[in-house]
Amino acid sequence: KNEVEQSPQNLTAQEGEFITINCSYSVGISALHWLQQHPGGGIVSLFMLSSGKKKHGRLIATINIQEKHSSLHITASHPRDSAVYICAVNHNTDKLIFGTGTRLQVFP
Amino acid sequence: ETGVTQSPTHLIKTRGQQVTLRCSSQSGHNTVSWYQQALGQGPQFIFQYYREEENGRGNFPPRFSGLQFPNYSSELNVNALELDDSALYLCASNAQRGGGETQYFGPGTRLLVL
Repeated sequence: KNEVEQSPQNLTAQEGEFITINCSYSVGISALHWLQQHPGGGIVSLFMLSSGKKKHGRLIATINIQEKHSSLHITASHPRDSAVYICAVNHNTDKLIFGTGTRLQVFP
Repeated sequence: ETGVTQSPTHLIKTRGQQVTLRCSSQSGHNTVSWYQQALGQGPQFIFQYYREEENGRGNFPPRFSGLQFPNYSSELNVNALELDDSALYLCASNAQRGGGETQYFGPGTRLLVL
């Protein structure tokens, strides 16, 4: 069993839909990261969380430390949101443990 | 734009050869980590350097080695390449040590071993 699990693995949506991607982890963490990876391979950091909730534009990330669970929400989704979204955790060090990612496709 | 660059962007090698991949971090980023991402998988931690010293290593054999330089650049060297080494290699940097910081990723080097 992976230390970081994401669901769903694949997600398709129509433009405008509200999207939720989930992440569960089984280790102690100092922080959780949501990352976005486009087909070219480069990774962009969207959020880093250690508690509560963060919002940036149409993106919202929440974390429940007791339940070892985090969600990434996208409101009013757009085709340019199509990418792989990866959850990763700092397991007490700088080293990141990654989930396998959720591939999102948003159709016009 | 993360301020982290990697070179080359793509590389083709044959089995048994050696390869050096390079990463240039933002000024002041003393920690650099290298990750291997196989197709369809999440990245896997190779190793990390802090102020030019190795600061942790994942489950990769000794033929994977690294260096970090005072000018915030670093290298990943892989000897005796195997077919399974074909992957996207990512470096990520941040300023401090100890976790809980935003990681700045480079665009990656895609390595194909034939």
